[in-house]
Amino acid sequence: QVQLQQWGAGLLKPSETLSLTCAVYGGSFSDYYWTWIRQPPGKGLESIGEINHSGTTTYNPSLKSRVTMSVDTSKNQFSLKLTSVTAADTAVYYCARVRGKWDVAVVPAVPYWYFDVWGRGTLVTVSS
Amino acid sequence: SSELTQDPAVSVVLGQTVRITCQGDSLRRYYGCWYQQKPGQAPVLVTYGKNDRPSGIPDRFSGSMSGNTASLTITGAQAEDEADYYCNSRDNSGHYVFGPGTKVTVL
Repeated sequence: QVQLQQWGAGLLKPSETLSLTCAVYGGSFSDYYWTWIRQPPGKGLESIGEINHSGTTTYNPSLKSRVTMSVDTSKNQFSLKLTSVTAADTAVYYCARVRGKWDVAVVPAVPYWYFDVWGRGTLVTVSS
Repeated sequence: SSELTQDPAVSVVLGQTVRITCQGDSLRRYYGCWYQQKPGQAPVLVTYGKNDRPSGIPDRFSGSMSGNTASLTITGAQAEDEADYYCNSRDNSGHYVFGPGTKVTVL
């Protein structure tokens, strides 16, 4: 049973750098992409980006200038850094595993993705 | 368009059926999936692909795709199904996108 355990600083001041890490236990690290998602208090989910074991990344365009994701394959961990945080970055941050598949029963085949394992979330508050 | 749209809220009488929809141009290219989120908890995947469910998800949850619309149907809604439900897919630029969520109330 794959489990994701995440941690990082929960209280930041404006302009500081958010840093979170997610460790993968009980399953393959290299066979999947891994993603970060955030949820401001009382609001919906927002994708931050994804990374694979080789360090290949895709970032949400709205956050791309401030986001860096990295991996440590020796520890089966992946990390998120978000620079120059403001109050608007206050949110619960989740890590999750990405599954990607194709429905080949239709023509043309249809791709789809889903996040099947989630971390418990880390509340990050940005306040002066 | 990179957006997915959902009705903000729906209600269903205990034991009845409710259908939640998610619309977006990118759903013509990619299947969507659905997450259930209860207060203070991480989202849980309930359906994915054309109509698949992770193990442990009751079979009263079913998904479907048609044109630019993904749907989640709860057949015989239970009190524990009261939650927020989010659809998710990629947009036409390839980035993940979530719908704004639908709050389901079980009466």
